[in-house]
Amino acid sequence: GQNIDQPTEMTATEGAIVQINCTYQTSGFNGLFWYQQHAGEAPTFLSYNVLDGLEEKGRFSSFLSRSKGYSYLLLKELQMKDSASYLCAVSDSNYQLIWGAGTKLIIKP
Amino acid sequence: ETGVTQTPRHLVMGMTNKKSLKCEQHLGHNAMYWYKQSAKKPLELMFVYSLEERVENNSVPSRFSPECPNSSHLFLHLHTLQPEDSALYLCASSGGTGDYNEQFFGPGTRLTVL
Repeated sequence: GQNIDQPTEMTATEGAIVQINCTYQTSGFNGLFWYQQHAGEAPTFLSYNVLDGLEEKGRFSSFLSRSKGYSYLLLKELQMKDSASYLCAVSDSNYQLIWGAGTKLIIKP
Repeated sequence: ETGVTQTPRHLVMGMTNKKSLKCEQHLGHNAMYWYKQSAKKPLELMFVYSLEERVENNSVPSRFSPECPNSSHLFLHLHTLQPEDSALYLCASSGGTGDYNEQFFGPGTRLTVL
């Protein structure tokens, strides 16, 4: 079956760095997405990786290793507004998104 | 209006009621989606429409009935729901259903079935 694993919850301190991991097993691979979802709001797009390596976008970076079925989202200089759930999703062989359950990130002062 | 809008934002209904959820996208996209989001569970894809044709129905119970009258509007008709159907229902749209297809989400409808 298809499976996306990510930690349920993480806690970090304001100003610090946090890495959220995602491992996947899917039938085919056509890219990996990270979305951010604040409580009670819509998920919003953060990043897309289809080739191995690191994609950097401001304070956020996303890494992909297709051979390991692994990705991570790196958040630097954490701010209180980064408290949210982070969703990992893989586009499978049919271009359907398979979603992880999300990682709730709690930022403490 | 911009992006993807959904109405109502909150809905409480009894098990014998009939109601409809509405989604509208203002992005010129060709594909629209209905998802169910339950606490601590992955997003569950319910229905996919591409160019107003249904392309995916992931074994969703018949008490959920989608309708896509045009590429900008999507409805989810609800009847004789169960308490376990209580969840956040998210609508999304994308440029297409193949290749890179970043999805844009609406704010969701929080549904409670009594």
